[in-house]
Amino acid sequence: DAGVIQSPRHEVTEMGQEVTLRCKPISGHDYLFWYRQTMMRGLELLIYFNNNVPIDDSGMPEDRFSAKMPNASFSTLKIQPSEPRDSAVYFCASSLDRGPGNTIYFGEGSWLTVV
Amino acid sequence: GDSVTQMEGPVTLSEEAFLTINCTYTATGYPSLFWYVQYPGEGLQLLLKATKADDKGSNKGFEATYRKETTSFHLEKGSVQVSDSAVYFCAEETSGSRLTFGEGTQLTVNP
Repeated sequence: DAGVIQSPRHEVTEMGQEVTLRCKPISGHDYLFWYRQTMMRGLELLIYFNNNVPIDDSGMPEDRFSAKMPNASFSTLKIQPSEPRDSAVYFCASSLDRGPGNTIYFGEGSWLTVV
Repeated sequence: GDSVTQMEGPVTLSEEAFLTINCTYTATGYPSLFWYVQYPGEGLQLLLKATKADDKGSNKGFEATYRKETTSFHLEKGSVQVSDSAVYFCAEETSGSRLTFGEGTQLTVNP
């Protein structure tokens, strides 16, 4: 079975440009998560959805970040305008709601560099 | 808020050495606990988990026991291999499948 699929795998963009990261969760999963990983801050949860509805976006750094999940098989994380401090690896992950102890499955990440 | 604390890395061991990576959590009640592993250039993968006190999770020779009395979930392996070199993350489940991760511990195993 295909895992969580993210695109692009790598992106280099100039400061001020819009960046759109895409994610296809595992089919049938109820939850979708966006994480950001940096050396300084480790893994941070940005936002997560349950059945396509945003549940908690308190981790989104600021208004420049937005995330959508228009259907069960697709989500986007958008940064507009991008800044050098947004350089990080962005992971999408999904899980099936089976009660406590759910396994979260991660994509391979989108490596973003803003210059 | 809830947090997870891991022993600081990096950790460097010789092949066949014994590994311990300490992890403590702060969530009240009985959160599920996890160890994830991240190999270079890849996403995180579940290594093992435990959902209640005194449970032992195990996989690929790694083990961790859920200790409620010490709020700990230390990762151990009796004999590490070069292929175990990776970053290891401890995590607790706070609510609704949401995980709080520790800082990660870089493990390097030399031949």
